Amino acid sequence: AQSVTQLGSHVSVSEGALVLLRCNYSSSVPPYLFWYVQYPNQGLQLLLKYTSAATLVKGINGFEAEFKKSETSFHLTKPSAHMSDAAEYFCAVRSISNFGNEKLTFGTGTRLTIIP
Amino acid sequence: DAMVIQNPRYQVTQFGKPVTLSCSQTLNHNVMYWYQQKSSQAPKLLFHYYDKDFNNEADTPDNFQSRRPNTSFCFLDIRSPGLGDAAMYLCATSRDLEGALFFGSGTQLSVL
Repeated sequence: AQSVTQLGSHVSVSEGALVLLRCNYSSSVPPYLFWYVQYPNQGLQLLLKYTSAATLVKGINGFEAEFKKSETSFHLTKPSAHMSDAAEYFCAVRSISNFGNEKLTFGTGTRLTIIP
Repeated sequence: DAMVIQNPRYQVTQFGKPVTLSCSQTLNHNVMYWYQQKSSQAPKLLFHYYDKDFNNEADTPDNFQSRRPNTSFCFLDIRSPGLGDAAMYLCATSRDLEGALFFGSGTQLSVL
């Protein structure tokens, strides 16, 4: 079984400040992990993905995430927030095993607000 | 540019009146998905196609059906929409079951 927990349904940061969005996963096998961003009234756009290569993953728009197996975490960060980063962010997990691939499971999302 | 296209962007239907949402892709991906997303919630997988093989989620109501006539197109049919079916419907594709998903912009369905 697999699941994702996103801590904090709403996060507000000042423009130029560090962005940190938290994601913890649960998976019985090594997972694939993803971060997606959703702008208002839009579909989801892939920010970055972890598929068992480098533990620090760089994505689009200056975002990155670090896979920490010991903490079962995959937190999303960006050094300096921009007004255009205001959106909903979803963490997702997919477990790959010899018994088949589980579906992509999304967290409940974190709404990021940028304060001018 | 290769992409996932959903039409229409907004759809209004009446209670109980069948409605069809469409999705097309130019990525030539093997897998196509339909998700339902209600306000302030995570997307919920309804079903997916791997090539022509249909995979229904256990908790997807019978009211929801899907067709994939070819690699590029996939349709979501709601046979008798209820007020609770008002939501954003997202189509997505992936090269295979391990790959990242690429989403369309969604169709916002309203039921009157």
